[in-house]
Amino acid sequence: SQQGEEDPQALSIQEGENATMNCSYKTSINNLQWYRQNSGRGLVHLILIRSNEREKHSGRLRVTLDTSKKSSSLLITASRAADTASYFCATDSGGSNYKLTFGKGTLLTVNP
Amino acid sequence: DADVTQTPRNRITKTGKRIMLECSQTKGHDRMYWYRQDPGLGLRLIYYSFDVKDINKGEISDGYSVSRQAQAKFSLSLESAIPNQTALYFCATSGSGRHTSYNEQFFGPGTRLTVL
Repeated sequence: SQQGEEDPQALSIQEGENATMNCSYKTSINNLQWYRQNSGRGLVHLILIRSNEREKHSGRLRVTLDTSKKSSSLLITASRAADTASYFCATDSGGSNYKLTFGKGTLLTVNP
Repeated sequence: DADVTQTPRNRITKTGKRIMLECSQTKGHDRMYWYRQDPGLGLRLIYYSFDVKDINKGEISDGYSVSRQAQAKFSLSLESAIPNQTALYFCATSGSGRHTSYNEQFFGPGTRLTVL
C-alpha cells in the first residue's frame, strides 16, 4: 500500500504561475523525496528533505516538511511549460534497507 | 549513453508466456530495484537487491522472479504472464558515493508490457 498520498491528483496552471503540490504520509519517516516523471518515462530525482529539516530549496523548487502533520509540500515557482509532468513523493523509514514507498502522484499541466 | 538501460522498451505477449525484462547499469551502484507502474497507482516495488547475493521481495512479488547476474545486471521474469501484469515496468539503482546516497534512486526509461 502507498505510504504517501499526493494532493491534488491533477493541477492545471498558466505559465509563470506557482504550483503547489502536497504529500501526506502515514508512518514515521527518515527522509522524504520528490521525483518527477515526464509522460511514460523514468522518474527523475528532484530533491530530498530529511526528517529533521523543515524547508529546503533547489532552484525554483521549495520543499517543506511538517513531521507533526506527516505532510510535505512541493512548490514550483514561475512555472514553465517544460514543468508539465507527474510529481511523486517518496518516503523511506530509514534503517538499513532504504526502500522507497511512492505516492500516486500529481499530474501538473502548465499551459503556455 | 544512459546510465540505466532497460530492454525491451516495449513488449506484447500472450497469456501463459514466459517473459524476461532486463536491466543494466553503468553507475557502479550496488542496489537495484524493480517497480511496476499502473495508471493512478504510482510505483509499487516488486523485488530489490542490495548486492549480487542479496535478493528481497517487495510489495507485489507474486508472479514474478528476479536474477542478479552481476552487479550491473538485474533481470525480472514473469514465469507465466497474465493480463493483469500489463503495466509499465521500471528498473532503478542506488548507491553510496561522493555525491549520492542510497536514498536517491536512478530510474531506467521503462518497459511497457502488454499481456493479451
